[in-house]
Amino acid sequence: SQTIHQWPATLVQPVGSPLSLECTVEGTSNPNLYWYRQAAGRGLQLLFYSVGIGQISSEVPQNLSASRPQDRQFILSSKKLLLSDSGFYLCAWKRYQETQYFGPGTRLLVL
Amino acid sequence: ILNVEQSPQSLHVQEGDSTNFTCSFPSSNFYALHWYRWETAKSPEALFVMTLNGDEKKKGRISATLNTKEGYSYLYIKGSQPEDSATYLCAFPPRGGSNYKLTFGKGTLLTVNP
Repeated sequence: SQTIHQWPATLVQPVGSPLSLECTVEGTSNPNLYWYRQAAGRGLQLLFYSVGIGQISSEVPQNLSASRPQDRQFILSSKKLLLSDSGFYLCAWKRYQETQYFGPGTRLLVL
Repeated sequence: ILNVEQSPQSLHVQEGDSTNFTCSFPSSNFYALHWYRWETAKSPEALFVMTLNGDEKKKGRISATLNTKEGYSYLYIKGSQPEDSATYLCAFPPRGGSNYKLTFGKGTLLTVNP
């Protein structure tokens, strides 16, 4: 069966510090991978998606970036965090016409 | 811009009550509609993927219907239980049927009081 992992589970970072969130998927190959964010009081916002290694599509302009160095690994990064980057970050995967499956999430607080 | 609207924004019911809420989406170029349940401190859990007009799906006490011509889907919960308390999200692929990405509504927050 497929599983999706995210870490860390929670993170408190100062403004201006770098960020690296990691997501890995097991039990499948060549999945589509997604990064979402839920900011306080807002709905789920798609940040990035990837259909293959090295292929990244950005949905909204921001100071975040994503990379997919391996087939089942998806990384969300920032060089300098902003207060507005606080939120709940979810990684998700899907294959073909199936629904998306979400990881456990990372709660990020930027102070 | 694709608009997926959910109503009501929040709902409080008593244990045992049946309830329903709505997801509205653009009816042109329909591809699929997804329903998720999102419990606090957990990740969203897939409930249904609906593709055909008139589709009705059921999972335990939860069921959903789909009207692609008028652009809405209803989610029903029969005999609500406290463990049904969660945010219920619907999601829709963008115009053109791309199934790479989903646009989510803001959800309906259901609270079931014991």
